[in-house]
Amino acid sequence: NAGVMQNPRHLVRRRGQEARLRCSPMKGHSHVYWYRQLPEEGLKFMVYLQKENIIDESGMPKERFSAEFPKEGPSILRIQQVVRGDSAAYFCASSVSWGVNQPQHFGDGTRLSIL
Amino acid sequence: DAKTTQPNSMESNEEEPVHLPCNHSTISGTDYIHWYRQLPSQGPEYVIHGLTSNVNNRMASLAIAEDRKSSTLILHRATLRDAAVYYCILRDDPQGAQKLVFGQGTRLTINP
Repeated sequence: NAGVMQNPRHLVRRRGQEARLRCSPMKGHSHVYWYRQLPEEGLKFMVYLQKENIIDESGMPKERFSAEFPKEGPSILRIQQVVRGDSAAYFCASSVSWGVNQPQHFGDGTRLSIL
Repeated sequence: DAKTTQPNSMESNEEEPVHLPCNHSTISGTDYIHWYRQLPSQGPEYVIHGLTSNVNNRMASLAIAEDRKSSTLILHRATLRDAAVYYCILRDDPQGAQKLVFGQGTRLTINP
């Protein structure tokens, strides 16, 4: 009865490198959401994906950030040319379907640190 | 999503009930009231949700005012593990955005 799995739990990158964060949703869930929590700030929505499709990316920074959820395999949040301001906890959530009546189930996040 | 107002912090004792309030005076008829909590160093955890009637599950109860302008999350018997930040979130627009909009929440401290 595995929950949402995120890896790695901790990731350290130097400025200018790429960061790849992975999220495996709960079994049977085809809707994935990414959120970011900057130090001492609240959780902010980034992107919502449904298998192979980006449904809402209104919270994604315009540059360097991308997300995918392929037919097979985990969802990936990719950050290119990381900067110090990208240091944050990144959380993935999944739900069995869409709708405001559907809970989202979260993983324990990836803590990204930029040196 | 409509705005909610919660106290910044609350404190309670172990094994006592806890009532966490949330005001949402601009709630619309189709808004669902959701509660999540975030324990230290963990991701948010779904707690409960409701529309008009009071709701109970294994974690908590949700009491919704008759005019729906406020609600209360009730932890019947707090444990140390219930120390967390609790978020009250309104969700609407079934055809639209699926995102959760988190406010600052209420930081709940449980004293042994």
